[in-house]
Amino acid sequence: GEDVEQSLFLSVREGDSSVINCTYTDSSSTYLYWYKQEPGAGLQLLTYIFSNMDMKQDQRLTVLLNKKDKHLSLRIADTQTGDSAIYFCAEGHLTGRRALTFGSGTRLQVQP
Amino acid sequence: NAGVTQTPKFQVLKTGQSMTLQCAQDMNHEYMSWYRQDPGMGLRLIHYSVGAGITDQGEVPNGYNVSRSTTEDFPLRLLSAAPSQTSVYFCASSYEAVGSNSPLHFGNGTRLTVT
Repeated sequence: GEDVEQSLFLSVREGDSSVINCTYTDSSSTYLYWYKQEPGAGLQLLTYIFSNMDMKQDQRLTVLLNKKDKHLSLRIADTQTGDSAIYFCAEGHLTGRRALTFGSGTRLQVQP
Repeated sequence: NAGVTQTPKFQVLKTGQSMTLQCAQDMNHEYMSWYRQDPGMGLRLIHYSVGAGITDQGEVPNGYNVSRSTTEDFPLRLLSAAPSQTSVYFCASSYEAVGSNSPLHFGNGTRLTVT
């Protein structure tokens, strides 16, 4: 079955880099996503990576994918207080049940 | 564009009552879905729809019904509310279910408490 796991909490200082990790079990995952949830709001897509890629960079965000270990990470460079939020990893397939499976979310706290 | 609109934002029900959570999108998205968010459990898929007239069950469908009579609307019905259905409910839509051109657009959620 599908399972996506994340650590629950990460605390960093402003200006440092943050690395949020995610592991998944389904090797047939096609797309892997990172979503951000701010208090009282829905989730917003930050970035995604296709399963045939190893890395994707988008401004301050870097996504690394290790398919062998089924490990996904999100690195936020120069973390700001506005980055404080819950970050969700999700995986999806182009076949089968057409829905994303989400992890439980990592709460990132950025200290000034 | 309003995006994905959910109503109500907050609701308190007594055990056994029924109600409908409303969801509407104005982006002409074919795919719509309902998730519930519980502490420490992330988002779990309740039901989804890949187009008008087509719905399917997700991971936790029991106690909920959906219908998709139009592209824009995807209401979620609680048939007989139970305390275990206390949660935050999110509706989401996208152009297609999974793909590079398909970021899920989320509503702001409905916080439901069942006493």
